[in-house]
Amino acid sequence: SAVISQKPSRDICQRGTSLTIQCQVDSQVTMMFWYRQQPGQSLTLIATANQGSEATYESGFVIDKFPISRPNLTFSTLTVSNMSPEDSSIYLCSVFGMSGTGELFFGEGSRLTVL
Amino acid sequence: GEDVEQSLFLSVREGDSSVINCTYTDSSSTYLYWYKQEPGAGLQLLTYIFSNMDMKQDQRLTVLLNKKDKHLSLRIADTQTGDSAIYFCAERGYSGGGADGLTFGKGTHLIIQP
Repeated sequence: SAVISQKPSRDICQRGTSLTIQCQVDSQVTMMFWYRQQPGQSLTLIATANQGSEATYESGFVIDKFPISRPNLTFSTLTVSNMSPEDSSIYLCSVFGMSGTGELFFGEGSRLTVL
Repeated sequence: GEDVEQSLFLSVREGDSSVINCTYTDSSSTYLYWYKQEPGAGLQLLTYIFSNMDMKQDQRLTVLLNKKDKHLSLRIADTQTGDSAIYFCAERGYSGGGADGLTFGKGTHLIIQP
């Protein structure tokens, strides 16, 4: 299984500010996924980050609000820009496992609270 | 887009079997998954099944897949208090441009009665 580290694990932010979440994987992976889990809700895919190309965003998510970097095969960042209380969520980074059977492994998540 | 549906709650007695059901709409699903999330914790992959299989058993867990009806179930035998959690069904599609990220259901809260 992949080991995925996220920073910060949690933060309290002020409305209008931006926060960058980091995701580090212990192996080289082509695709990294960013998910959001709003309070009491399921996971929603924000975007897919491929190394060497622009991130692909899902419907309802835009690059200006959630810019993503993918500088190498083990690291990615997600920025939540101009935050509002509605952005209070857990943000999770995930990658596929190496076994080829398609399982997705998750980091522990970054719990953001926007005041 | 793709949709994954689950009932929100299931209550069972300790020692009984739990059966959590899930339906999905994506006919191109390649893999289907069950994840467990305990309070305040991240997601733990429990098991998965490839779309050309109809059953997979792993200790107390049995996954049944009816591909024709797009119905997936997770059976937990001899349910224990430690099984109390939210269980998410998820499917992985294939859009032709490459493998996609997973689509998750809303999760089923499994409540264990003593």
